[in-house]
Amino acid sequence: GAVVSQHPSWVICKSGTSVKIECRSLDFQATTMFWYRQFPKQSLMLMATSNEGSKATYEQGVEKDKFLINHASLTLSTLTVTSAHPEDSSFYICSARDPRTANYGYTFGSGTRLTVV
Amino acid sequence: DAKTTQPTSMDCAEGRAANLPCNHSTISGNEYVYWYRQIHSQGPQYIIHGLKNNETNEMASLIITEDRKSSTLILPHATLRDTAVYYCIVRGGSGGGADGLTFGKGTHLIIQP
Repeated sequence: GAVVSQHPSWVICKSGTSVKIECRSLDFQATTMFWYRQFPKQSLMLMATSNEGSKATYEQGVEKDKFLINHASLTLSTLTVTSAHPEDSSFYICSARDPRTANYGYTFGSGTRLTVV
Repeated sequence: DAKTTQPTSMDCAEGRAANLPCNHSTISGNEYVYWYRQIHSQGPQYIIHGLKNNETNEMASLIITEDRKSSTLILPHATLRDTAVYYCIVRGGSGGGADGLTFGKGTHLIIQP
């Protein structure tokens, strides 16, 4: 089945630094990938839609200059949290849809736990 | 996408069937019902989806009422590894185009030994 690989699985960074998270579709091409954020004991919230070869679209309230998204190829999207602060500490999850699968469901990465100290 | 309502939490004994309800009274004709689950500190996992007919796969069964206003996910023989948060999501089209999913609060299913 479709596999989405996310890296790193966890990262600790100092306040003010930037962190890059990678999301790869391993066995299919994804023109669209999605980035979610999940705070403790809360549900997943869609942050942005990553479009291959064009600009990402961000959900209301998500700062595009803080959460930089690049989708330069059909198998890779990256999310960079710029000038990270403790309030950005969260669980970040990407997903993509494999158009080949009969269920047309979404496959999710394993998530990245970001801790900003 | 139509709104869904699920119980906050449920308990089920190991080896028994776990029945997770979901209300989606405002579902429209072209909207599918999707079920995902999220085990602690992992990404969500697709379970099953359906439009109007009942569906079954190797993981679960999905029972959709005739009026489509509610559905039930059935895990036939629950194991401890089925402890997770289960999300019922309604969205248009099989796959729904290029839109991300809207997650509600889901049901925290706890399988008791």
